Amino acid sequence: EAQVTQNPRYLITVTGKKLTVTCSQNMNHEYMSWYRQDPGLGLRQIYYSMNVEVTDKGDVPEGYKVSRKEKRNFPLILESPSPNQTSLYFCASSPHGGSPYEQYFGPGTRLTVT
Amino acid sequence: AQTVTQSQPEMSVQEAETVTLSCTYDTSENNYYLFWYKQPPSRQMILVIRQEAYKQQNATENRFSVNFQKAAKSFSLKISDSQLGDTAMYFCAFMKFGVTTDSWGKLQFGAGTQVVVTP
Repeated sequence: EAQVTQNPRYLITVTGKKLTVTCSQNMNHEYMSWYRQDPGLGLRQIYYSMNVEVTDKGDVPEGYKVSRKEKRNFPLILESPSPNQTSLYFCASSPHGGSPYEQYFGPGTRLTVT
Repeated sequence: AQTVTQSQPEMSVQEAETVTLSCTYDTSENNYYLFWYKQPPSRQMILVIRQEAYKQQNATENRFSVNFQKAAKSFSLKISDSQLGDTAMYFCAFMKFGVTTDSWGKLQFGAGTQVVVTP
């Protein structure tokens, strides 16, 4: 089944403890992206990747890192999480590297930082 | 920078009735895409409908249709014959066309409209 998977789906952690949220797609998509969703703000892009080893910042990259060593994986890294990073996170991918207008979303990861 | 505004935080509609969600956006671009996404309680983001700005004809997908007014920068969603399964948060989103300097493939979302369908 073609899909975008995220792990974990739920995570409660403490301030400062490094964590990684994984994202994987099995559709051979070039484009991948991370968003965070907060009430009243909709979804905002954190980072995106046009292809392997090519990543760039979105609107809210502070406090996050990403890497794209393989086409299928695009992990989101929080080196020192803080409570303001408590949010719902979505990974998305698209086959259209030139204009990724068709984006498939993962199921979301609910992160709570205490 | 583009902004997307959804002025209705919540709307209620009875089964089988019609509801229209409003969305306005601000951009200086001529080529772009507009989307409506549905987020049910499962939190999954589901694409409902997509409109290319260069197309004058309004997009439709079964019971979902849009009214795209490019000059007014308005993009409303009409849900006809509402069903209980339509209960969800609906997000309007904007994407520039092609490669741009500030971001590539970024979906700019509105704050969302919660739709509740009642029996």
